[in-house]
Amino acid sequence: EVQLVESGGRLVQPGGSLRLSCAASGFTFSSNWMHWVRQAPGKGLVWVSRINGDGSSTFYADSVKGRFTISRDNAKNTLYLQVSSLRAEDTAVYYCARVLTGYYVGYWGQGTLVTVSS
Amino acid sequence: SSELTQDPAVSVALGQTVRITCQGDSLRSYYAGWYQQKPGQAPVLVIYGENNRPSGIPDRFSGSTSGHTASLTITGAQAEDEADYYCNSRDNNGNHLLFGGGTKLTVL
Repeated sequence: EVQLVESGGRLVQPGGSLRLSCAASGFTFSSNWMHWVRQAPGKGLVWVSRINGDGSSTFYADSVKGRFTISRDNAKNTLYLQVSSLRAEDTAVYYCARVLTGYYVGYWGQGTLVTVSS
Repeated sequence: SSELTQDPAVSVALGQTVRITCQGDSLRSYYAGWYQQKPGQAPVLVIYGENNRPSGIPDRFSGSTSGHTASLTITGAQAEDEADYYCNSRDNNGNHLLFGGGTKLTVL
């Protein structure tokens, strides 16, 4: 059974940084593209970033490019998202996700909440 | 355009059929995926590709595409289908994923 468990979300001040983690199990982690998707309170889903299996290829939404960094440790079956220069509008639940096929997200974690506020 | 547009809200009488739509230029090249999200829960993929349902999704859910518009149809809506529904695709460069703004479905 595919399991994705996020952690690391907390209250942080504007301009601050933190690292989100996603522990994956139940599938061959190193063979899969992985994604981060976020959802602000009461708002819709927004794709944030993706990374290929060996970590050599990454893509970012324009809204986070230059501030967020996606990475992975295949030995630990863990996905990361380093978020920095945080703004109030980055407040959201951040989901770790894996596609079922193509660009269709078939597996989601439970999410971790990042709150940016002074 | 790199956006997917959905109606904010739709309602349907119990047992009737409802169509939720999603518009975007990328849908001329890529089939939409559809997700159901209930309050406090992660989204669930209900339709992907031309018209495929993941395991466990009832067959009252179906998908279709015409031009730049994708549709999710629920035939015989049930009370448990009340949720937010999101479409997704990829942008025309193929590098980014896109999500629509979501449609809140109310079952009356």
